[in-house]
Amino acid sequence: AAGVIQSPRHLIKEKRETATLKCYPIPRHDTVYWYQQGPGQDPQFLISFYEKMQSDKGSIPDRFSAQQFSDYHSELNMSSLELGDSALYFCASSRISTGANVLTFGAGSRLTVL
Amino acid sequence: AQSVTQLGSHVSVSEGALVLLRCNYSSSVPPYLFWYVQYPNQGLQLLLKYTSAATLVKGINGFEAEFKKSETSFHLTKPSAHMSDAAEYFCALSGGYGNKLVFGAGTILRVKS
Repeated sequence: AAGVIQSPRHLIKEKRETATLKCYPIPRHDTVYWYQQGPGQDPQFLISFYEKMQSDKGSIPDRFSAQQFSDYHSELNMSSLELGDSALYFCASSRISTGANVLTFGAGSRLTVL
Repeated sequence: AQSVTQLGSHVSVSEGALVLLRCNYSSSVPPYLFWYVQYPNQGLQLLLKYTSAATLVKGINGFEAEFKKSETSFHLTKPSAHMSDAAEYFCALSGGYGNKLVFGAGTILRVKS
């Protein structure tokens, strides 16, 4: 079965650079979520999209932005990177119509800021 | 407001012993509850979910959890631990359709041979 695809799996950037992470949800899933997991921490919700519209916003820095495109894939853009942005970034997708809000997570994109 | 508390950041059991990972929640609306497992350097895999049907939920790999509203708990159990169960386990809560998941801090399970 198709899963949530994230790219790149690993990314190394310098401080003040920009990074873009991509997420391809499971086909027919209508909602995408982004989470940030720092070292030894639980995943923290950043932002979500339902049918290409932002549906909820969590602790996402102003330096970050995200959007969902017409093909339902989503991109998380991070600018002016800081050392503290080093983390594992997860994308998850769900299909609200199936109920129970079961999120399926991708394998994550590991960002290292040097 | 919604929150999840996992008691014990680290749990160590012997192979073949009972696994009990504790999770308590706080929610202003009837919750949906989940357990996810994360192996090192990997994503989050759904173990099981509670969605207001049966209070005893069976998941993959022999895990199960019981929703107890009176205790606001959703503890995860497995009768006999296997070495392959060593991982980090996250309890999570959702307030309903389309709502984000709120995670607990996680419990690292160590299985001793």
